[in-house]
Amino acid sequence: AQTVTQSQPEMSVQEAETVTLSCTYDTSESNYYLFWYKQPPSRQMILVIRQEAYKQQNATENRFSVNFQKAAKSFSLKISDSQLGDTAMYFCAFMKPGANSKLTFGKGITLSVRP
Amino acid sequence: KAGVTQTPRYLIKTRGQQVTLSCSPISGHRSVSWYQQTPGQGLQFLFEYFSETQRNKGNFPGRFSGRQFSNSRSEMNVSTLELGDSALYLCASSLVWGADQPQHFGDGTRLSIL
Repeated sequence: AQTVTQSQPEMSVQEAETVTLSCTYDTSESNYYLFWYKQPPSRQMILVIRQEAYKQQNATENRFSVNFQKAAKSFSLKISDSQLGDTAMYFCAFMKPGANSKLTFGKGITLSVRP
Repeated sequence: KAGVTQTPRYLIKTRGQQVTLSCSPISGHRSVSWYQQTPGQGLQFLFEYFSETQRNKGNFPGRFSGRQFSNSRSEMNVSTLELGDSALYLCASSLVWGADQPQHFGDGTRLSIL
């Protein structure tokens, strides 16, 4: 079974600064996908970024980028130029494609952006 | 394009009752998954439906069931409610089942058991 670990329960960052959220996972699979989801107080889970395990290049989406270290099973999210609207819970998630595909989530981290 | 729609947004029930939650996926999406979110257990997978068939199931008791209709809308039913069933229930849709498609979530249904 796959597990996803987010060891930091809370983080805080000043507006316009950069913050990195950590995530590690455990799997014996070679082909899989990793995601970061954002859940603001409005509750809707929003996909932030996605990484395919077979791609060595780190995914980026505007101010959001990941540092994917496959050998270390690490998948951290970097948020540049933090904005007040980035305040939310962030979940790291793992998915193995195929018949039993499902998202396995970490416990999440609460990120607060200070003005 | 409308997103994933979940109804109702809030629900209050008492122990022993049953409840039905509804989820309408994004137009064209045929796979619907359900997740339970609680402060203690986090996000846990309940089940996934595709083409009106349950394709995958998480580790939940048989009191939790679901179904999917021909228009891809899905319902989740919980019978004999327990206090521990209080949670945010999230529905997610994707284009197809078992592929590398990202899942898009609704706003969830907040279920409170008194």
